[in-house]
Amino acid sequence: SQQGEEDPQALSIQEGENATMNCSYKTSINNLQWYRQNSGRGLVHLILIRSNEREKHSGRLRVTLDTSKKSSSLLITASRAADTASYFCATDSTGGYNKLIFGAGTRLAVHP
Amino acid sequence: DTGVSQDPRHKITKRGQNVTFRCDPISEHNRLYWYRQTLGQGPEFLTYFQNEAQLEKSRLLSDRFSAERPKGSFSTLEIQRTEQGDSAMYLCASSSLAGGTDTQYFGPGTRLTVL
Repeated sequence: SQQGEEDPQALSIQEGENATMNCSYKTSINNLQWYRQNSGRGLVHLILIRSNEREKHSGRLRVTLDTSKKSSSLLITASRAADTASYFCATDSTGGYNKLIFGAGTRLAVHP
Repeated sequence: DTGVSQDPRHKITKRGQNVTFRCDPISEHNRLYWYRQTLGQGPEFLTYFQNEAQLEKSRLLSDRFSAERPKGSFSTLEIQRTEQGDSAMYLCASSSLAGGTDTQYFGPGTRLTVL
C-alpha cells in the first residue's frame, strides 16, 4: 500500500509561473525525498529533507516539511517547459531498511 | 560513477514464460532495492539487499518472483510463469550510507509487457 498522497494529481501552468505540489504521509519518517520522472523513464532524485529539518532549497526548488501535520510541499519557481514531468514524494519509515514508500505523484505540465 | 544500469530496457513476453532482469548498481553502493511501478502509480517496494543478503521482501513478491545478488554487486530479478498482471516497469535503485543519508538512485527501469 502507498503511504504518501500527492496533491494535486495534475497541474497545468505557463512557463515562468511557480508550481506547488503537496504530499501527505501516515507514519513517522527519517527522511522525505522528492523525485521527478519523465514519461516512461527512471526516477531522478531532486532533494532530500530530514525529519528534523523544516525547509530546504536547491536551485529553483524549495521543499518544506511539517512533521506535526505529516506533510511536505515542493515549490518549483520560474517553471520551464523542461520541468514537465511527474513528481513523487517518497518517505522511509523509522525502524525499517529505508525502503521508500511513494505516493501516486503529481503530473506537471508546463506550457511554453 | 556511471549510475545505475538495468538490462533489458524493454521486454515483451508471452504469458507463462520466464523472464530475468539485471541491475548493476553504482559501484560503491552496498544497498540495492527493487521496485515495481504500474501506469499512473508511484513505485512500490519489492525487495532489498544489503551486500549479498536479501533482508526484506514485500508481500507483492509472490512465489513466482525471485531476486538474487550473488556477490553483492549486480542483482537479478526473475519472474516465473509470467501473468498479464506482471506487466509493469521494474525499477532498481542503489544507495549507501556514506555522508549520513540514504539517498536512493534509480536506474532507467525495465518495462515488461506480458501478452
